[in-house]
Amino acid sequence: AQSVAQPEDQVNVAEGNPLTVKCTYSVSGNPYLFWYVQYPNRGLQFLLKYITGDNLVKGSYGFEAEFNKSQTSFHLKKPSALVSDSALYFCAVRGNLGYNKLIFGAGTRLAVHP
Amino acid sequence: DAGVTQSPTHLIKTRGQHVTLRCSPISGHKSVSWYQQVLGQGPQFIFQYYEKEERGRGNFPDRFSARQFPNYSSELNVNALLLGDSALYLCASSLEPSGGSQPQHFGDGTRLSIL
Repeated sequence: AQSVAQPEDQVNVAEGNPLTVKCTYSVSGNPYLFWYVQYPNRGLQFLLKYITGDNLVKGSYGFEAEFNKSQTSFHLKKPSALVSDSALYFCAVRGNLGYNKLIFGAGTRLAVHP
Repeated sequence: DAGVTQSPTHLIKTRGQHVTLRCSPISGHKSVSWYQQVLGQGPQFIFQYYEKEERGRGNFPDRFSARQFPNYSSELNVNALLLGDSALYLCASSLEPSGGSQPQHFGDGTRLSIL
């Protein structure tokens, strides 16, 4: 069965420090992986994706993610956190059933403190 | 360019009623997917429609139905509402039926509250 795990309910980081939000996945075949961010009372905003190619993917707002096939992980990173990065982050994998279904993790709340 | 638009933004219903939620995809996108996001959880896939045909269905009861119109907009219908249907309902659009290399783009959702 395909699944995504985000092991941390919340991540706390000081402004200016690097941040990492963890994600592991389980899928047969090559994974299509995504990160989305959700601000209060808003929908999901696309940050970045891994389809194929370089293991380090760069996305919006200075975020990047590292794909690790052997560890089946796709951790989200940013070198220097901003208070405005505080939000709910979701990792997702596309199902391989031939249609466009995203399977999401439970989400990780990122809190960046001044 | 306008993103994915959903209406209404908020809705309050009582148990047993039915509800219709609406979604307009990004211009040029022919695929629309619906997700349910219960508070504190990640979104759960309900349906995908492409070119007016159902392409995929998640693990939801038959009380949930949807359709897509010739202009690619979509409606999600839920009958016999239960308290557990209270959630944020998200619509997402994409170019291709299987997604390809492109992400899905989400609207801001409809917050449905069942009393």
